[in-house]
Amino acid sequence: DAGVIQSPRHEVTEMGQEVTLRCKPISGHDYLFWYRQTMMRGLELLIYFNNNVPIDDSGMPEDRFSAKMPNASFSTLKIQPSEPRDSAVYFCASSSSPDTQYFGPGTRLTVL
Amino acid sequence: GENVEQHPSTLSVQEGDSAVIKCTYSDSASNYFPWYKQELGKRPQLIIDIRSNVGEKKDQRIAVTLNKTAKHFSLHITETQPEDSAVYFCAANEGYSTLTFGKGTMLLVSP
Repeated sequence: DAGVIQSPRHEVTEMGQEVTLRCKPISGHDYLFWYRQTMMRGLELLIYFNNNVPIDDSGMPEDRFSAKMPNASFSTLKIQPSEPRDSAVYFCASSSSPDTQYFGPGTRLTVL
Repeated sequence: GENVEQHPSTLSVQEGDSAVIKCTYSDSASNYFPWYKQELGKRPQLIIDIRSNVGEKKDQRIAVTLNKTAKHFSLHITETQPEDSAVYFCAANEGYSTLTFGKGTMLLVSP
């Protein structure tokens, strides 16, 4: 199994631009999680899905952030418009049970 | 919600020494406690986990202990090696589906 796949691995953009991060979970996993990691705040859960349905988005910082999961093998996290304070590493994780999570390689986002 | 405190934030040991990282949690309903290792620039990787029906679990040089009464759990690494240098995160489940992570411990093993 290829594990959780994320793209792009690195993204550099200018303030105000739209950013789309992509994730392919491990086949057969029905939970998908989006995290943001920064030095100051550590690992923060942004949103998670179960069977493609968003269950809890209380961690999404503000309306500029949105996430979708149109099918069991694909999810996106979109930031529009992006701001410098959004610079972070964004991880996607998936699991087949509610607890054991496997992380993707992450997307390092830099907003100038 | 769940709150997970992790100590120390940094830990320096000599190769061959043991290292211990401790975490406390607040939600008595939590019953799953994983530990992740994150090397620089890499993803967090699950190294060991424990469930509330077990007090201790070992896997070669690493072990985890759980005290549900006191609501704390610890990671023990014996015979540390330079390749053990990384950031280690503890976590506890919150509700049915999510994990709350500690802030991490940077472990440095000097040759």
